Amino acid sequence: AQSVTQPDIHITVSEGASLELRCNYSYGATPYLFWYVQSPGQGLQLLLKYFSGDTLVQGIKGFEAEFKRSQSSFNLRKPSVHWSDAAEYFCAVAPFSGGYNKLIFGAGTRLAVHP
Amino acid sequence: DGGITQSPKYLFRKEGQNVTLSCEQNLNHDAMYWYRQDPGQGLRLIYYSQIVNDFQKGDIAEGYSVSREKKESFPLTVTSAQKNPTAFYLCASSTRQGSNTGELFFGEGSRLTVL
Repeated sequence: AQSVTQPDIHITVSEGASLELRCNYSYGATPYLFWYVQSPGQGLQLLLKYFSGDTLVQGIKGFEAEFKRSQSSFNLRKPSVHWSDAAEYFCAVAPFSGGYNKLIFGAGTRLAVHP
Repeated sequence: DGGITQSPKYLFRKEGQNVTLSCEQNLNHDAMYWYRQDPGQGLRLIYYSQIVNDFQKGDIAEGYSVSREKKESFPLTVTSAQKNPTAFYLCASSTRQGSNTGELFFGEGSRLTVL
């Protein structure tokens, strides 16, 4: 069955430090890949997406993610974290099926930022 | 500004009562979705609709019902048959292309608590 794994439930970093959030997926082909961010009590906002082409994708708020086919991974990175980045981050995949694509979400990684 | 409006933001219900959550979008999107979010479980799809007057069950449809009489509206009813309804409910929408690629726009959510 298709699945998305975010190994880190909770991560704490200091403001200004670099960040990497891990995401692994289980699917036979390359799906569409996404990272969404959720601030407390809010809905989700799309940070970035990968469909094809360049495996390093840039998103909003200074985030980037790299697709590695050999590792079935799509890790999210940011060189310098700001206090406003504290939120929950969800990796998601949409296995290409040619029609409606059910979005499969990981369980999320909650990021805390120390001043 | 275009967006998705969910109401109410907070709702309390007694056991045995049905409750309806509202979701309205002015993005002119064809597809709409309802997700349920529980701590540590990511998002799970309840129902989705790709066109007016048509909708399909998601992964956890039991105890829920929906209607899609207008393009901009997709209300969710949590019935008394739902055994564990306390959760955060998120409505989302997408373009027709987005329903194929998985790019969703989310509302800010409704938190339902059953007393």
